[in-house]
Amino acid sequence: DTGVSQDPRHKITKRGQNVTFRCDPISEHNRLYWYRQTLGQGPEFLTYFQNEAQLEKSRLLSDRFSAERPKGSFSTLEIQRTEQGDSAMYLCASSPKKIQETQYFGPGTRLLVL
Amino acid sequence: GNSVTQMEGPVTLSEEAFLTINCTYTATGYPSLFWYVQYPGEGLQLLLKATKADDKGSNKGFEATYRKETTSFHLEKGSVQVSDSAVYFCALSRMYNAGNMLTFGGGTRLMVKP
Repeated sequence: DTGVSQDPRHKITKRGQNVTFRCDPISEHNRLYWYRQTLGQGPEFLTYFQNEAQLEKSRLLSDRFSAERPKGSFSTLEIQRTEQGDSAMYLCASSPKKIQETQYFGPGTRLLVL
Repeated sequence: GNSVTQMEGPVTLSEEAFLTINCTYTATGYPSLFWYVQYPGEGLQLLLKATKADDKGSNKGFEATYRKETTSFHLEKGSVQVSDSAVYFCALSRMYNAGNMLTFGGGTRLMVKP
């Protein structure tokens, strides 16, 4: 069991550029979550997948954000036309079928928008 | 809506001191409650959890009891170590649309001095 992995770990981009992050959940975990954590704050829920279906999106997720989980395994989170306010740590978590309330987090992708 | 309130940090203790980090919550229904820990430069790790009233979660000498009457889930440890220095997050999980979205508190930084 290798844990949840995220790539890249760090991303610096200029305002207006598009960025894409990848999350690989723990094998056979059917649920996958994205959260955003700004400095000094707790993580905030963004969106959630059960297998390949995106079942819930937070109002924090503007139309510049899109997430996919095409085959029910890895997921991508894309931010279009980045803004300085998008600078944050983007966390991915997954949970297994049998212990659905317990989420296991990846190391996160830290985004800095200049 | 659901919310979690934690005591603000930083909390600074000497090694072997007793630790309490207060956490209270507001939620509809009966959420599951969690403590996550974030060590410097690392992702969130699940420390302990409790899924129903009066349950006690425990791990690595830490413990917390789910108190429905006071809507609290305070984290305690009898004797802290320098290696316990980290940021601690209290969270609740609510079931919605077949998923379990976590709502986090703002985090409490613990610094343990030798």
